[in-house]
Amino acid sequence: KQEVTQIPAALSVPEGENLVLNCSFTDSAIYNLQWFRQDPGKGLTSLLLIQSSQREQTSGRLNASLDKSSGRSTLYIAASQPGDSATYLCAVRPIMEGYQKVTFGTGTKLQVIP
Amino acid sequence: NAGVTQTPKFRVLKTGQSMTLLCAQDMNHEYMYWYRQDPGMGLRLIHYSVGEGTTAKGEVPDGYNVSRLKKQNFLLGLESAAPSQTSVYFCASSYSSEKLFFGSGTQLSVL
Repeated sequence: KQEVTQIPAALSVPEGENLVLNCSFTDSAIYNLQWFRQDPGKGLTSLLLIQSSQREQTSGRLNASLDKSSGRSTLYIAASQPGDSATYLCAVRPIMEGYQKVTFGTGTKLQVIP
Repeated sequence: NAGVTQTPKFRVLKTGQSMTLLCAQDMNHEYMYWYRQDPGMGLRLIHYSVGEGTTAKGEVPDGYNVSRLKKQNFLLGLESAAPSQTSVYFCASSYSSEKLFFGSGTQLSVL
């Protein structure tokens, strides 16, 4: 069974700092990996999706990398801002199980201090 | 575009009552999903559908039923609510096995 781990569970950084969020998974037979942000009381907003054949994806100040062989993905946030404060979740879509049983990590709660 | 819309946003039930949560998407996605989110446990898949008229069990299907009579709608039913079903429920949709799009959630309390 796929297990997805995000460490740390919470992170607090000063505004302007570059930071890295981690996502580890136990089964490397993945189809893609998606990063989301979730604001309190809200739904999940997609940030980046990396296909299994890709090494990284970039969108603005965000860069996500994928290393299937080591079972790791990282989300790099450059020049953090208070508006980046949210919970960040990663989700892994398997090759098996008809591609549908996506497994989520429990998230990293980020606080950017002005 | 509205994307994925869930109704209602909040609901309080008494143990044993029934209810239906509605999810509607306007992106012509084939695949739709129901998840529940509980503190410390992440999102867990309840049921999913890969097309109109099809449904399949996810990780935690017990106590729930679903129907996909129209491509744009995916209904989640609780026949006899239990306190263990107190949770936040999210609907999602995707085109094939690509990016997931989520609704804003339904907060359900079962007393």
